[in-house]
Amino acid sequence: DAKTTQPPSMDCAEGRAANLPCNHSTISGNEYVYWYRQIHSQGPQYIIHGLKNNETNEMASLIITEDRKSSTLILPHATLRDTAVYYCIVRVYSGAGSYQLTFGKGTKLSVIP
Amino acid sequence: SAVISQKPSRDICQRGTSLTIQCQVDSQVTMMFWYRQQPGQSLTLIATANQGSEATYESGFVIDKFPISRPNLTFSTLTVSNMSPEDSSIYLCSALPYQTVSSYNEQFFGPGTRLTVL
Repeated sequence: DAKTTQPPSMDCAEGRAANLPCNHSTISGNEYVYWYRQIHSQGPQYIIHGLKNNETNEMASLIITEDRKSSTLILPHATLRDTAVYYCIVRVYSGAGSYQLTFGKGTKLSVIP
Repeated sequence: SAVISQKPSRDICQRGTSLTIQCQVDSQVTMMFWYRQQPGQSLTLIATANQGSEATYESGFVIDKFPISRPNLTFSTLTVSNMSPEDSSIYLCSALPYQTVSSYNEQFFGPGTRLTVL
């Protein structure tokens, strides 16, 4: 799987949008971008994934650049409960090698009152 | 979706002993995984627990140290054998539900087992 690069930490004011960047310059054509987060003392939680189109769900939006070498996870209205470590992962969608998640160091997002 | 529970939630053990961690999923799943998260670190995959066959271990992890069982489609155990203080970590179970037309390969995680070895 392609490697990802994320800033180690970010702060965001409560109620504002949190924009978390991820670089994945060596991503392959069949690799998707996944985002998970880990709230303190819990297991990781799936947020969203995408291939090349922008995606949105009830938790977040995912913006992927046209060349697919980077992406941004957007939490539109951050709350204190969004304080967590956010992991950007790229991997194939199905078939051999599609199941294991390779976690990098992630970005520790602190939402400030 | 899948809800995963782990037992014990935490334990303090003596050097040289072994601990078996149980992972129970509330529905049948295709694949189950065991991860380790050392203090202040990210998650590292230990092995894939295969139902009806031996687990598949990642580089740096061996069956003698981390024997794994998966007797059915909802349950797995991880044993941490002959423990040393370096084994102090959080151990997490993960599962991948059966794929459906609308599914998206989401992997679910248990709450983890916090192990401290003295």
